[in-house]
Amino acid sequence: AQSVTQLDSQVPVFEEAPVELRCNYSSSVSVYLFWYVQYPNQGLQLLLKYLSGSTLVKGINGFEAEFNKSQTSFHLRKPSVHISDTAEYFCAVSDGSDGQNFVFGPGTRLSVLP
Amino acid sequence: ETGVTQSPTHLIKTRGQQVTLRCSSQSGHNTVSWYQQALGQGPQFIFQYYREEENGRGNFPPRFSGLQFPNYSSELNVNALELDDSALYLCASSPADRPPGDTQYFGPGTRLTVL
Repeated sequence: AQSVTQLDSQVPVFEEAPVELRCNYSSSVSVYLFWYVQYPNQGLQLLLKYLSGSTLVKGINGFEAEFNKSQTSFHLRKPSVHISDTAEYFCAVSDGSDGQNFVFGPGTRLSVLP
Repeated sequence: ETGVTQSPTHLIKTRGQQVTLRCSSQSGHNTVSWYQQALGQGPQFIFQYYREEENGRGNFPPRFSGLQFPNYSSELNVNALELDDSALYLCASSPADRPPGDTQYFGPGTRLTVL
């Protein structure tokens, strides 16, 4: 079985500061990894995904994440945040098998302060 | 914009009632999954449908059931509603040209409140 841990439930950060949202996963098989963002009263929007290849993945809105297999981590980073980045961020893992789906972490609430 | 729509946006029901939530996927997306997102939590997988057949199920009781139609629409039905069923229900579709578990496109969700 797979699981996802997001250690920080809330991350406050000042505008234009860098941010890192942490994600660790456990799985006995190779995985696909994802970060989704959820703005208030909306569905989930894909920020980026790791399927294979380069361990540094670049996504939308200036976000990037690095897959670290030895540490089973997929931390999300942005060098300079904006007020508009305030949202809930979810890390998810999939084993890519038919009939299975994403296992999501509990989410991290990013609050960007002026 | 993911091209996945859900209706209704909000819904209020009472305990014991039945509810049907609807989802419309993009053309060519023949896999649809449903998730339940309780307040303050991440989404939890309910089940997946592929070409109108259930193709996987999470840890949800049989009173949660679904249907998928040839026109890329689908339904989530919940019988005998309980207070704990109050949540945001999300559907997600996957395109036919991508392997399973690769990418899912989420709708905006239906907020169900059970009183």
